Amino acid sequence: GQQLNQSPQSMFIQEGEDVSMNCTSSSIFNTWLWYKQDPGEGPVLLIALYKAGELTSNGRLTAQFGITRKDSFLNISASIPSDVGIYFCAGRRTGANNLFFGTGTRLTVIP
Amino acid sequence: DAGVTQSPTHLIKTRGQQVTLRCSPKSGHDTVSWYQQALGQGPQFIFQYYEEEERQRGNFPDRFSGHQFPNYSSELNVNALLLGDSALYLCASSVRGSNQPQHFGDGTRLSIL
Repeated sequence: GQQLNQSPQSMFIQEGEDVSMNCTSSSIFNTWLWYKQDPGEGPVLLIALYKAGELTSNGRLTAQFGITRKDSFLNISASIPSDVGIYFCAGRRTGANNLFFGTGTRLTVIP
Repeated sequence: DAGVTQSPTHLIKTRGQQVTLRCSPKSGHDTVSWYQQALGQGPQFIFQYYEEEERQRGNFPDRFSGHQFPNYSSELNVNALLLGDSALYLCASSVRGSNQPQHFGDGTRLSIL
């Protein structure tokens, strides 16, 4: 099945630094979602985006729906140790209910 | 308000066996989707159920089948298990016709020996 191109694959950052990751697709999506997954758990929704160009924040997290509808990015400001985990983007096409997931970005925060 | 619950949490089977995984959706949700997540990969869509019927299916063989019950809970069945079926199986629930995102359970870790 199709998976979105997500980069970077992994990141090692110092506590307090900002983080940026992005996701691209060859297909147009009408919804972009960002999830975080901790070991042994399912993905937890962070931010949902529904309109091209939309910029949405959730605390220290900010995500944008690209104007081409083929990409999205997620920023995390002032990272803390509990930000450690794997971040997945996911897109949903018009008329479909299933999600296509990115390959994930593994974030490590060094105290 | 319980979220999505899945059972069992872990399961070990051998090749050729059959397995049934279970999912209860979040309260108020009527649609259940199943995903397979191989190690180091993102989840891949298997199929989706609402009104007790399969409505959409991903690129998975007929060995993968499902069922949805009147109370919206769902089962995923996999027959003739292969080593490659080892994965985390995730259930997600949502409200049909709503633009609200899917909420995931913690999954069932299936290991095939």
